[in-house]
Amino acid sequence: GENVEQHPSTLSVQEGDSAVIKCTYSDSASNYFPWYKQELGKRPQLIIDIRSNVGEKKDQRIAVTLNKTAKHFSLHITETQPEDSAVYFCAARIFGNEKLTFGTGTRLTIIP
Amino acid sequence: KAGVTQTPRYLIKTRGQQVTLSCSPISGHRSVSWYQQTPGQGLQFLFEYFSETQRNKGNFPGRFSGRQFSNSRSEMNVSTLELGDSALYLCASSLGPGTGFGANVLTFGAGSRLTVL
Repeated sequence: GENVEQHPSTLSVQEGDSAVIKCTYSDSASNYFPWYKQELGKRPQLIIDIRSNVGEKKDQRIAVTLNKTAKHFSLHITETQPEDSAVYFCAARIFGNEKLTFGTGTRLTIIP
Repeated sequence: KAGVTQTPRYLIKTRGQQVTLSCSPISGHRSVSWYQQTPGQGLQFLFEYFSETQRNKGNFPGRFSGRQFSNSRSEMNVSTLELGDSALYLCASSLGPGTGFGANVLTFGAGSRLTVL
């Protein structure tokens, strides 16, 4: 089955700087890659997603890039703010399958 | 539009007991998935239901079971509870398969936090 690896597990960034989280997946049949943000004590919430027919997607300060050949995708957060502090999960899903395989999460801390 | 509703939010059980958790999806969503979240293992897929049928199952023992009703509401049951079953159980709903490119956004509920003593 699909396996998703996520790095780093923890990341501390000075406020205003950029943060990058990387994930790799194993199954070339995966075609949907969402990123979820989970604040302490709250539910995971989708922040951005990308499909395999697109190489990059941006939404304000957040962007995701996908390299299908290398089977990896990354989350980029620019101009980080204190409210960006949370655990971020990447995930992958195979076409036609509702199951998401999650990475192990990255705890992002923004240092004021 | 109401979100995904999970009940109960918190519960404490003892080893050997069983528990039933409930999930009401977003109106119009027909697919319900369940995930177990623990500090050590992250988010692990349990199972997924669509139109009252289990379509996918994760690598959990048979003590973990679920079902979906005709109104798309879903329940999961854990029998003979073990200490290691202590976790946050998250339900997520989506429209279901067969919608264009095939990728539907999963929306999560707040979860049911189970503590097994």
